[in-house]
Amino acid sequence: QKEVEQDPGPLSVPEGAIVSLNCTYSNSAFQYFMWYRQYSRKGPELLMYTYSSGNKEDGRFTAQVDKSSKYISLFIRDSQPSDSATYLCAMSADTNAGKSTFGDGTTLTVKP
Amino acid sequence: GAVVSQHPSRVICKSGTSVKIECRSLDFQATTMFWYRQFPKKSLMLMATSNEGSKATYEQGVEKDKFLINHASLTLSTLTVTSAHPEDSSFYICSAPRGDSFTHEQYFGPGTRLTVT
Repeated sequence: QKEVEQDPGPLSVPEGAIVSLNCTYSNSAFQYFMWYRQYSRKGPELLMYTYSSGNKEDGRFTAQVDKSSKYISLFIRDSQPSDSATYLCAMSADTNAGKSTFGDGTTLTVKP
Repeated sequence: GAVVSQHPSRVICKSGTSVKIECRSLDFQATTMFWYRQFPKKSLMLMATSNEGSKATYEQGVEKDKFLINHASLTLSTLTVTSAHPEDSSFYICSAPRGDSFTHEQYFGPGTRLTVT
């Protein structure tokens, strides 16, 4: 079983919809949780970073972490066509960013 | 935000040849850089940690003699795929955390697509 599971999608929504992206994990030692956005043929871009459980909001994006359920989510409000990309969750147990374990990514398409 | 560049963005080479990929941090110094490999629709796999002034640290299963890493300066790390074979074809991405490696704010390069024929 993989340490991090992420629904690969693809996910297609109309513009303006609320999008929910999710990951589950098995390693209870994970404490740092990240969401990256990756456009086609580009490197990932860090969107949100959360330490331990709780919510974090940044504009239209909200990251939620539920360590008791080993479940993290990224919500996108008022989705835009420019949000169309692959979203990767990542998590790590220590402070070394390079040791993150990544999900396989969920491909999102927002249709105008 | 911080910028990390990679060169080349795309390379096609013949089997048996070597290919060098450069990763540069453009507006900050990076004592540590990371090299990843990404297969289509798959997650990033950490290959190695590049350390300025010392040897790279390779992840289990990654051949250090196959993937040579040199961290020549505080802004440049290179990955050389030696004696490339078709199975080495992949998307290679580097990243650099701002400051040292003890931060989760790492910046990724745009990636290099390697095709070995």
